[in-house]
Amino acid sequence: GENVEQHPSTLSVQEGDSAVIKCTYSDSASNYFPWYKQELGKGPQLIIDIRSNVGEKKDQRIAVTLNKTAKHFSLHITETQPEDSAVYFCAASGQNFVFGPGTRLSALP
Amino acid sequence: DGGITQSPKYLFRKEGQNVTLSCEQNLNHDAMYWYRQDPGQGLRLIYYSQIVNDFQKGDIAEGYSVSREKKESFPLTVTSAQKNPTAFYLCASTAGSNTGELFFGEGSRLTVL
Repeated sequence: GENVEQHPSTLSVQEGDSAVIKCTYSDSASNYFPWYKQELGKGPQLIIDIRSNVGEKKDQRIAVTLNKTAKHFSLHITETQPEDSAVYFCAASGQNFVFGPGTRLSALP
Repeated sequence: DGGITQSPKYLFRKEGQNVTLSCEQNLNHDAMYWYRQDPGQGLRLIYYSQIVNDFQKGDIAEGYSVSREKKESFPLTVTSAQKNPTAFYLCASTAGSNTGELFFGEGSRLTVL
């Protein structure tokens, strides 16, 4: 079955700097790759997603890149703000959604 | 507003008791899911249902049961057979495709005393 790895597990960046979170997946049949943001005590919310026919997608300060050959995809956050502090999960979906273990991002003032 | 409602938000249970977590959605979604979340781990799939009156086991179904009698409702029962039930439980739904957005509820935190 699908296996998703995610790195780093924790990430601290200075406010205004960029943050990058990387994920790898194992099943070449996976074709949909969402990223979720989870604040403390709440359910995850979709922040950006990418499908296998696209290499890059951007939405304001957030971008995702996908390398199908290498089976990895990354989340890029520019100009990090305090409100970006949360846990971020990547996922790969083919038959079902499989989630990475999460990255706790802290944006330090 | 459309969304997913989970209740209760917090629940305490004594060992040996069954407990049922509610999940209701008004998004008209066909597929619904239950995930378990433990600290430092990703979301693990317990059960899912693609259509009314049908459901399948996920990766960690042992000690749990579900029903899907109505499209909008997918309750999860944590039975006494679940050895380590203390966790954060998340319900989610999607329109029916595994390549569509997965919407999550706010979660239910179960603590076994």
